[in-house]
Amino acid sequence: KAGVTQTPRYLIKTRGQQVTLSCSPISGHRSVSWYQQTPGQGLQFLFEYFSETQRNKGNFPGRFSGRQFSNSRSEMNVSTLELGDSALYLCASSLVAGGVLETQYFGPGTRLLVL
Amino acid sequence: DQQVKQNSPSLSVQEGRISILNCDYTNSMFDYFLWYKKYPAEGPTFLISISSIKDKNEDGRFTVFLNKSAKHLSLHIVPSQPGDSAVYFCAASGRYGGSQGNLIFGKGTKLSVKP
Repeated sequence: KAGVTQTPRYLIKTRGQQVTLSCSPISGHRSVSWYQQTPGQGLQFLFEYFSETQRNKGNFPGRFSGRQFSNSRSEMNVSTLELGDSALYLCASSLVAGGVLETQYFGPGTRLLVL
Repeated sequence: DQQVKQNSPSLSVQEGRISILNCDYTNSMFDYFLWYKKYPAEGPTFLISISSIKDKNEDGRFTVFLNKSAKHLSLHIVPSQPGDSAVYFCAASGRYGGSQGNLIFGKGTKLSVKP
């Protein structure tokens, strides 16, 4: 079974631009979560989608948004990029069994550099 | 305020010996705990998990111990191998408590296994 895939793997943007990152979950996984990893803050939860609905959201500004499609693929968007948005963005997918989230499996991440 | 703490940023162990990585948490609502291994520029790889109804879980060379009263868990790797050298993250969630899709991560411990 193929793992979680993320595109693009690397991205360079300038301040003020916007960016869209894509995540394809493991086949059969309907929950997709997004995380930001920076050296100072570690891994921080952005949001989680299940059946095209955002169920949970972390403490990030409204510039960070996402969506999920009917095939469970997910995108996250960051508008008006700031230097501090430079980070590794990780997507994780999970089965939901009996209403309970199972183990999250991570993709390789998208490395975003904002200049 | 960090809810999941890994107080040792680094650990060095000789090949063949035991590696013990520690993790403390503060939120008593956490009921599911996971360990991930991460190489630079890659996504975290799931290693092992434990739910709060257990105090021990084994998978090959990896064993996780949970002490709920002390809000402490540890990962034991026996025997340690040079390929185990990576950053290890402890993560927790309130899987049954409604915090679905939201893993809280520690800052990580960098394990170096010397031949």
